[in-house]
Amino acid sequence: GESVGLHLPTLSVQEGDNSIINCAYSNSASDYFIWYKQESGKGPQFIIDIRSNMDKRQGQRVTVLLNKTVKHLSLQIAATQPGDSAVYFCAANDRGSTLGRLYFGRGTQLTVWP
Amino acid sequence: EAQVTQNPRYLITVTGKKLTVTCSQNMNHEYMSWYRQDPGLGLRQIYYSMNVEVTDKGDVPEGYKVSRKEKRNFPLILESPSPNQTSLYFCASGLFDRGKNYGYTFGSGTRLTVV
Repeated sequence: GESVGLHLPTLSVQEGDNSIINCAYSNSASDYFIWYKQESGKGPQFIIDIRSNMDKRQGQRVTVLLNKTVKHLSLQIAATQPGDSAVYFCAANDRGSTLGRLYFGRGTQLTVWP
Repeated sequence: EAQVTQNPRYLITVTGKKLTVTCSQNMNHEYMSWYRQDPGLGLRQIYYSMNVEVTDKGDVPEGYKVSRKEKRNFPLILESPSPNQTSLYFCASGLFDRGKNYGYTFGSGTRLTVV
């Protein structure tokens, strides 16, 4: 299987600052990773993904960094806005016994204050 | 619009009264899954299905049943609900193609209360 965990359950940042949310995974066979955003009362929404053949991938205001050596990934949000306030989950697959399945961390609550 | 549709959004029921939460996706995804979300515990997988007539237990399957008779539908059945099944439930579908994972699309959630 796979165990995925976030380093901090909560993160507070000031509007306009950059945010960094960290995540660790346990299975060295994992080769696909995703970040999801969940706003209050809604289902998780896909933000960005990365495969293990990459170290970095950028989207609009978001960057995911993958360090396979220490089994760590992070989500960086540039110029954080109030609309970024949400719970952020990382997820990883398991290339071993459970093809197709994703394993989710418990989430980090990001709060953006003015 | 590509989406996963769950119904109902909210449900209050009594202990022991069988219920079904429906889930349908229009993306022709092979993979579908049910999760429950409880405070402090994150998303926990109940059951998943790799394709029609192929289902398997997740981490917390006790008290739940599923079926996958058609590719687009994956209902969650609680034969005899109990108060500890009060939770927020999410259905998700995903593409798993040629040995590669792709992201999941989640439904909007079903908030179930069992009294």
